[in-house]
Amino acid sequence: DADVTQTPRNRITKTGKRIMLECSQTKGHDRMYWYRQDPGLGLRLIYYSFDVKDINKGEISDGYSVSRQAQAKFSLSLESAIPNQTALYFCATSDVTQSSYNEQFFGPGTRLTVL
Amino acid sequence: DQQVKQNSPSLSVQEGRISILNCDYTNSMFDYFLWYKKYPAEGPTFLISISSIKDKNEDGRFTVFLNKSAKHLSLHIVPSQPGDSAVYFCAARSSNTGKLIFGQGTTLQVKP
Repeated sequence: DADVTQTPRNRITKTGKRIMLECSQTKGHDRMYWYRQDPGLGLRLIYYSFDVKDINKGEISDGYSVSRQAQAKFSLSLESAIPNQTALYFCATSDVTQSSYNEQFFGPGTRLTVL
Repeated sequence: DQQVKQNSPSLSVQEGRISILNCDYTNSMFDYFLWYKKYPAEGPTFLISISSIKDKNEDGRFTVFLNKSAKHLSLHIVPSQPGDSAVYFCAARSSNTGKLIFGQGTTLQVKP
C-alpha cells in the first residue's frame, strides 16, 4: 500500500488550461510539500504546509497555488498552465517528531506536459 | 543561486567496485545532510543522513562523509551492485527554516 499517493500519474494539457494535481497521505504526517523536478535542476520546492492552517511559498511558487483541504490532502493548482511548467511533480510528507533531520517521504510523482 | 551542488551528472562503475558520489554546499546554516535515491517512475526514497556535528555515518554498504571546512560531502557505496543504479540526490536541511534544499542529482550506473 502506498503511503503517499498522487493523482493523476500522467497528464497532458494545453497552454492556458487550469489543472489540479492531488496528493493524499495515510502516514498521519502534519507537514506536506510540493516539488518539481527538471533535468539538471534537481528538486525545487514550490509550496509547503506545516499544518492545515499553514501555507508557505517555496522557491518557485509563481504560477502555482495550493490548497490544504485536510491533514491528509494537499493539492497543487496551475491556474493557467504554460509550457515551461512541463515537469515531474512530487508531493512529500514529513513528521517533525519522527526525525530531527526532516526526513521526507515522497509520492510516485505526476508527469505533467503542457503543450 | 544553487546552494547545494552535485557537479557530476552521471557516474558509471563496475559491479563490486566503489561508487563515490559528491556534493558541495555553500550555506553554513545547514545542520543535516541527506541522500535520497530515485528509481525511474518512482519518488525519491531516503537513504542515509548525517548531522553537521559528525564527519561520518555508516549504514551497511553506504557511508556518508562530511567535510565541513570544505563544505563537501560524499556518499560511498561499497561494493556497488547493479540494483544501486538510480539517480542520487543530495539534500541539506536549513537549521532556521527546516526546509530541505536538493542538489541536481547524479545518475549512477553500476555495470554487471
